[in-house]
Amino acid sequence: DAKTTQPPSMDCAEGRAANLPCNHSTISGNEYVYWYRQIHSQGPQYIIHGLKNNETNEMASLIITEDRKSSTLILPHATLRDTAVYYCIVRFHYGQNFVFGPGTRLSVLP
Amino acid sequence: KAGVTQTPRYLIKTRGQQVTLSCSPISGHRSVSWYQQTPGQGLQFLFEYFSETQRNKGNFPGRFSGRQFSNSRSEMNVSTLELGDSALYLCASSLPGTGGGETQYFGPGTRLLVL
Repeated sequence: DAKTTQPPSMDCAEGRAANLPCNHSTISGNEYVYWYRQIHSQGPQYIIHGLKNNETNEMASLIITEDRKSSTLILPHATLRDTAVYYCIVRFHYGQNFVFGPGTRLSVLP
Repeated sequence: KAGVTQTPRYLIKTRGQQVTLSCSPISGHRSVSWYQQTPGQGLQFLFEYFSETQRNKGNFPGRFSGRQFSNSRSEMNVSTLELGDSALYLCASSLPGTGGGETQYFGPGTRLLVL
């Protein structure tokens, strides 16, 4: 079973920041938080991952709470092309497969 | 650098047949994982290969098998196809042992329809 809980759907206005929450209250100390997205039955696309510290790349920012029990993926300026299902996954550093939950379906509205 | 490629992209088979799907990982990546995605069950892990050895296996029947070649390319085989095997089959590659976690990069998938 997935170790994460995400809202099933969210809406966001185009040009605004999209903040996608994820709860992972049972995360262990050496488990990473990964985010992927899947656009209309294409292969999942890697977005970002982190362990303890907040992370930022060209696509998004990942904010992990100090107790690591939850995190938020931030798309700073959402576009229509960001409409997708977003998956939050926790897993060990290596040797463990990804367990995907149902994710959050983000709809970016014009 | 080219991404993960999967062939064929679409496939139609009939019940009882078998099928072989192919995956070419990103150059330099040595781990290949396979996933099945269906509307009812979502994305489910099938198995992972690293250095030609199966390193991890999901909860699927023995009809589902795979292998990895010395060049890291991988194939998965499904024998005695059932209607429920209709799905999007996804392959992902990663570079084990790199710092910061083994990020998996997914291919576009092979869509299999069993009639």
